[in-house]
Amino acid sequence: KNQVEQSPQSLIILEGKNCTLQCNYTVSPFSNLRWYKQDTGRGPVSLTIMTFSENTKSNGRYTATLDADTKQSSLHITASQLSDSASYICVVRGRGTDKLIFGTGTRLQVFP
Amino acid sequence: DGGITQSPKYLFRKEGQNVTLSCEQNLNHDAMYWYRQDPGQGLRLIYYSQIVNDFQKGDIAEGYSVSREKKESFPLTVTSAQKNPTAFYLCASSINPNSGEQFFGPGTRLTVL
Repeated sequence: KNQVEQSPQSLIILEGKNCTLQCNYTVSPFSNLRWYKQDTGRGPVSLTIMTFSENTKSNGRYTATLDADTKQSSLHITASQLSDSASYICVVRGRGTDKLIFGTGTRLQVFP
Repeated sequence: DGGITQSPKYLFRKEGQNVTLSCEQNLNHDAMYWYRQDPGQGLRLIYYSQIVNDFQKGDIAEGYSVSREKKESFPLTVTSAQKNPTAFYLCASSINPNSGEQFFGPGTRLTVL
């Protein structure tokens, strides 16, 4: 069964600190993996997309990594800000399908 | 402004009533989607439409209905047959069904009283 699992479920950090969120998937064959940020009560917004051949991609203070062999991805947030408080959702698309598999998300809270 | 809009933001209904959630996009996207989001669960696909006048059931279509009479609009009706309708509903669109990025609307929170 195609699944996407994220950890931790929730995370609290202090402003200015770094953190790393994890995503493991079993979707096969794999097409791409996307990280979304979802503010409370809002729709998700795409942060970055990773394809099979990509290992690392950055978007400002966000850096995503992908290991297609172990089917793992991570999202690293550098120098966190209060506005980073949100849920981060990992989404995987299988090759040859138009359906997306969503993880349950990691809820990040950044405190001053 | 280009984008995808949903209305209303909050919706309350009594048990046994049907209610329709609006979703409009001016991105000229062919594909549109409806998801349901519940605490502790990933987004689940209710219905999707790849082109006008065509739509397909997703993973949890029971108790819901949709129409796609215009490219810009994809309304979702939550019927009284939906046993647990209280949830956050998200509409999304993509330029075509095989394009990875789906752009999401701001969502509608439906509460059944």
